[in-house]
Amino acid sequence: AQSVTQLGSHVSVSEGALVLLRCNYSSSVPPYLFWYVQYPNQGLQLLLKYTTGATLVKGINGFEAEFKKSETSFHLTKPSAHMSDAAEYFCAVKPSTNKLIFGTGTLLAVQP
Amino acid sequence: GAGVSQSPRYKVTKRGQDVALRCDPISGHVSLYWYRQALGQGPEFLTYFNYEAQQDKSGLPNDRFSAERPEGSISTLTIQRTEQRDSAMYRCASSLSAGSSTDTQYFGPGTRLTVL
Repeated sequence: AQSVTQLGSHVSVSEGALVLLRCNYSSSVPPYLFWYVQYPNQGLQLLLKYTTGATLVKGINGFEAEFKKSETSFHLTKPSAHMSDAAEYFCAVKPSTNKLIFGTGTLLAVQP
Repeated sequence: GAGVSQSPRYKVTKRGQDVALRCDPISGHVSLYWYRQALGQGPEFLTYFNYEAQQDKSGLPNDRFSAERPEGSISTLTIQRTEQRDSAMYRCASSLSAGSSTDTQYFGPGTRLTVL
């Protein structure tokens, strides 16, 4: 069965520091990969996705993620954190079916 | 344009009551999905529709849960004889195409269900 592991349920960074949120997946075939962000009292918003092609994917708000098949990883990064980045981030995979399989989420706190 | 809307945003009910949660997808979106998210967890798939046809209901936890989308637009998720373990955030999403694994799913704000 497909699964997603997000290491670190809580991550805290200083404003201006690098953001690194980890995501590993288990899949017998390369899946489609997604990062969603959830701001308080809002729905899930797509940050970026990998389907095919270039393994480094750029998303909104300066985030990017790199698909590494050999490591079964799809870590999310941003060079410089902003206070407005404080939110919960979910990694998800979509195997051959249409449903998304989500990780348990990482709550990002940004300290001034 | 308008995004996915869900109503009510909050629902408090007593154990044993039936509840109906509504989802209005983005206009023109063919596929509609329901997910459930428990506290501290990621969303878990419940069911999805292409147009009015329910394509996959493998995530519905038991026969108290049902969903319909009779005209291929608005969908209702119904929980009968609610139990405290049904308390969760229920999320709806829609996507443009049928059967496209690369399509983005757009999520609504969710309905927070609390069963007392």
